[in-house]
Amino acid sequence: EAGVVQSPRYKIIEKKQPVAFWCNPISGHNTLYWYLQNLGQGPELLIRYENEEAVDDSQLPKDRFSAERLKGVDSTLKIQPAELGDSAVYLCASSTGQGRNEQFFGPGTRLTVL
Amino acid sequence: EDKVVQSPLSLVVHEGDTVTLNCSYEVTNFRSLLWYKQEKKAPTFLFMLTSSGIEKKSGRLSSILDKKELFSILNITATQTGDSAVYLCAPGFNKFYFGSGTKLNVKP
Repeated sequence: EAGVVQSPRYKIIEKKQPVAFWCNPISGHNTLYWYLQNLGQGPELLIRYENEEAVDDSQLPKDRFSAERLKGVDSTLKIQPAELGDSAVYLCASSTGQGRNEQFFGPGTRLTVL
Repeated sequence: EDKVVQSPLSLVVHEGDTVTLNCSYEVTNFRSLLWYKQEKKAPTFLFMLTSSGIEKKSGRLSSILDKKELFSILNITATQTGDSAVYLCAPGFNKFYFGSGTKLNVKP
């Protein structure tokens, strides 16, 4: 069974530039999460989707971050414009939902903002 | 305020030792607690605990949850160098709160 797929794996941009991350969850997983992980810290939730609906985006900085999950499968997370403090690893995870909460993570995208 | 505290922050042991990692939590909505192992990549799922007192086991790893005292422990017996990683716990329900992890270093 294929795992969670993310791209790109690494991204280096200059501040004020836009950037986008893509995630393809495990087939059949209705719940999709985007996390941000800083060095030495645990993942922090940015947004959670149930199918195509964003059910928890309370931690998403909406002035510069946006996300979408059209058709309830793939998802894209965008930052515009990026700031130096956005440098981190962006992780996507998915789960079946329906009361089962084990989340399976993708390899992440390491973003460096110069 | 939701809070997850893992201890110790880091641990250095030798192969063959047994370690106990701790996770205490205070979260608004709780249904289960997840344990993950993270090497230099994404977290890998280890256990999901939902009931108090029922030990989950997978090889040399085991974990137990105490919902009354709001903590969980992860035990690793006969440690190997391949166990070196950061171990993360995450309690919650739909939304999960990750601790900062315990960094385990197993020396040969």
